[in-house]
Amino acid sequence: GDQVKQSPSALSLQEGTNSALRCNFSIATTTVQWFLQNPRGSLMNLFYLVPGTKENGRLKSTFNSKESYSTLHIRDAQLEDSGTYFCAAEADNNNAPRFGAGTKLTVKP
Amino acid sequence: AQTIHQWPVAEIKAVGSPLSLGCTIKGKSSPNLYWYWQATGGTLQQLFYSITVGQVESVVQLNLSASRPKDDQFILSTEKLLLSHSGFYLCAWMRGGSQNTLYFGAGTRLSVL
Repeated sequence: GDQVKQSPSALSLQEGTNSALRCNFSIATTTVQWFLQNPRGSLMNLFYLVPGTKENGRLKSTFNSKESYSTLHIRDAQLEDSGTYFCAAEADNNNAPRFGAGTKLTVKP
Repeated sequence: AQTIHQWPVAEIKAVGSPLSLGCTIKGKSSPNLYWYWQATGGTLQQLFYSITVGQVESVVQLNLSASRPKDDQFILSTEKLLLSHSGFYLCAWMRGGSQNTLYFGAGTRLSVL
């Protein structure tokens, strides 16, 4: 089954609204990374997390290792936030972070 | 500052032909290096990773091979392409120590016809 499960798979938002994306892990996860992939395929790092919370502008992410999930909150969504968001889990015994299936976000004016 | 360069940007190849994709990291010594593959609209699938020169670990092979001939170079190759090899290939490096952030190259888009 999916070891890194992302939800929702797709999301459409009106500009200026808020939303949350989620990753659930069925593998022991030590750190989590969030990325945004643009339509050209470029992947941009958003967050690198140990258990806890980080915030950067309109984005805020939490990693709860005890309950095996991570969330990415987007506040006041803008058109440029559109793209596919991926989370990736790193475990102690795995040197290659494992990715979720992604959430395709479309922000509409 | 570290830079990661992938080549070529895109390839159109025939089934059964050979393939070689390259990745170079500048500004970081002894990086961990990774190859990922992404089908159109899909997730990133781990293929190979390398901790040091000459050593490559396979995660999922997909009839591909990888080599690390130099500290700053990671090569992905096959002697015979399959239709299923089409997709987006991404090379990445990881900063070691307390912050293992993964940094990706711009990718190579491969179409096998």
